[in-house]
Order: sequence, then C-alpha cells, then structure tokens
Amino acid sequence: KAGVTQTPRYLIKTRGQQVTLSCSPISGHRSVSWYQQTPGQGLQFLFEYFSETQRNKGNFPGRFSGRQFSNSRSEMNVSTLELGDSALYLCASSLAPGMNSYGYTFGSGTRLTVV
Amino acid sequence: GDSVTQMEGPVTLSEEAFLTINCTYTATGYPSLFWYVQYPGEGLQLLLKATKADDKGSNKGFEATYRKETTSFHLEKGSVQVSDSAVYFCALSEGGSGAGSYQLTFGKGTKLSVIP
Repeated sequence: KAGVTQTPRYLIKTRGQQVTLSCSPISGHRSVSWYQQTPGQGLQFLFEYFSETQRNKGNFPGRFSGRQFSNSRSEMNVSTLELGDSALYLCASSLAPGMNSYGYTFGSGTRLTVV
Repeated sequence: GDSVTQMEGPVTLSEEAFLTINCTYTATGYPSLFWYVQYPGEGLQLLLKATKADDKGSNKGFEATYRKETTSFHLEKGSVQVSDSAVYFCALSEGGSGAGSYQLTFGKGTKLSVIP
C-alpha cells in the first residue's frame, strides 16, 4: 500500500514569503503529526491532528499553522518565513492517537530552504 | 518534561563489529519506546519498538530491551553491515499511558558509519 506522501519534496522560498506543505497519510490512518528537523535542534514536534482537530501543538511561534481535512490529508503553513525556518519538515501518520504504540509511519519529508 | 538522551556520535565501525548505541529517557508516565533509522535523503523508518517493561523489540538483527529500572533502551546488533550506515534515533511517546500527549520526543540521533 502507498506510504505517507509529502509534497513538494524540495522548496526554495525568500524571507518574508509564506509556504504551504502537504501530507497525505497512509490510507485508513486518521492521525497526522508534523515534525521539523534541523541540524542544530534535531527533531521537534510541531502539531498533531486527528479527525480535523488539532490535538497538540509544539513550542513554535504562531507563524506555524496547520489543518487537517475530512479525508485526513493535512497541510502546514509557515508565514513570514525566516532563514531559521530552513529545515526538513516531516509528516507522520498513525491509525489514531491511541494507536501510536504501533509506531508512526513517516514520509520522506519536504526540504525547505529560505534564502 | 520528557527527554531522550543518546550517546554522541558519529560512530564508525568495521563490518561485522558489535554495535551498541546507548539511550536513556526521562518521562512523567509510562512511555512506549522506539528506535527509528534515517538513511541519507530519506524520512524516518521505524526500526523497532517496545511498549512495556522488559519487552524486547527486534528487527533486522537489531534489538533493544525496555529497562524501566534504568530508564534505558539501548540498541544493539551483533554484526553490522555497510548497509546499516545511517542515523539512528531513540524516541518515546507517552500516548496511551494517560499522560495525554501522543507526540514523539526524539534524541539527537547517532550517526553510524560502517566501513568494509
């Protein structure tokens, strides 16, 4: 079966612009989480969504937002981009929040470069 | 809050050597523990997991045992191959333990290079 699909794979944006990243979870998975990966900070939790509701949010500024659609697909948006937002953004899906003991399945990520 | 501490890398081993990557954790509840692996240019892949004390997770020759008394989940492999070269992340999640948060908390990662 298809895995977690993230689009686009690579993105270059200019400071001050905004960007939208997309994530399609594994069919049947209803929980989607987002993580930011940078060399300095490592992997940091951004948000978790289930049934179109944000269940949890990490310690990121309000410029970072997200949403989940009725088909479980999720998008995250970063407004007023800063150089420090350059990172690999990873999406992970699981059946449901309470099923995460089975492990999350991650996508290949979107590499965002802000110049 | 929750935290995961992994041994600093990088780790360089010869093929067929024994591998240990240490991982200890701090959690408020009773977490599930995971090892993920990341190959160059790719996302994370679940390598193995354990959900309760004394559970042993295993996959592809890798093993890790959930040690509640020492709050540890060390990754081991008896004989590494060149294809095992990757970055390994230890992680925990309190989801299902009543703590309410299902997010993964990751260690900083340990880069493993295996030379022929």
